[in-house]
Amino acid sequence: DTGVSQNPRHKITKRGQNVTFRCDPISEHNRLYWYRQTLGQGPEFLTYFQNEAQLEKSRLLSDRFSAERPKGSFSTLEIQRTEQGDSAMYLCASSSGTGNNEKLFFGSGTQLSVL
Amino acid sequence: AQSVTQPDIHITVSEGASLELRCNYSYGATPYLFWYVQSPGQGLQLLLKYFSGDTLVQGIKGFEAEFKRSQSSFNLRKPSVHWSDAAEYFCAVGARGGSYIPTFGRGTSLIVHP
Repeated sequence: DTGVSQNPRHKITKRGQNVTFRCDPISEHNRLYWYRQTLGQGPEFLTYFQNEAQLEKSRLLSDRFSAERPKGSFSTLEIQRTEQGDSAMYLCASSSGTGNNEKLFFGSGTQLSVL
Repeated sequence: AQSVTQPDIHITVSEGASLELRCNYSYGATPYLFWYVQSPGQGLQLLLKYFSGDTLVQGIKGFEAEFKRSQSSFNLRKPSVHWSDAAEYFCAVGARGGSYIPTFGRGTSLIVHP
């Protein structure tokens, strides 16, 4: 168990560029979550997958955002035509089990800066 | 929809002193409740959770929290704070049924003076 891995740790991009982040969950965890955290705020839910199926998306996830989890393993989060307001820490979490037995494990995040 | 309020943005305590971080939630039924800690450059780590049963929940690192339904609160406590406890603390609430998808509060920053 090496934990949830996120890459890159930091990303600096210019406004209007596309960026893609990757999350590798803990092996055999069937659920994967994406959150966004801005300075001085708590994490805000973006979307989650059960295996390869994207089961829920937040209203925060505009049309410029897309997430995939092919084959139910790693996941990618792409932001197209980035805006300065997209600057944030993007967190990934994975879990297994349900209800009382479910526990989320978070990665260290990808810090995005849009110039 | 559920929500969480953490009324204190910063809390400063002396090392060895007791600690209480406040959390109030809004949810139509009995929720799942959590406390997470986030240190700089680290991922969020679960301290403890309440699902059902005993309303006083013990967690890691000597933390405990008490669920009070009448006050819609889930305050985090520690009898004696260590300098290494300095971090950001987040309370979260989750809906019952399926995956609970935690909704987080804005966090409380804990500063520990020697």
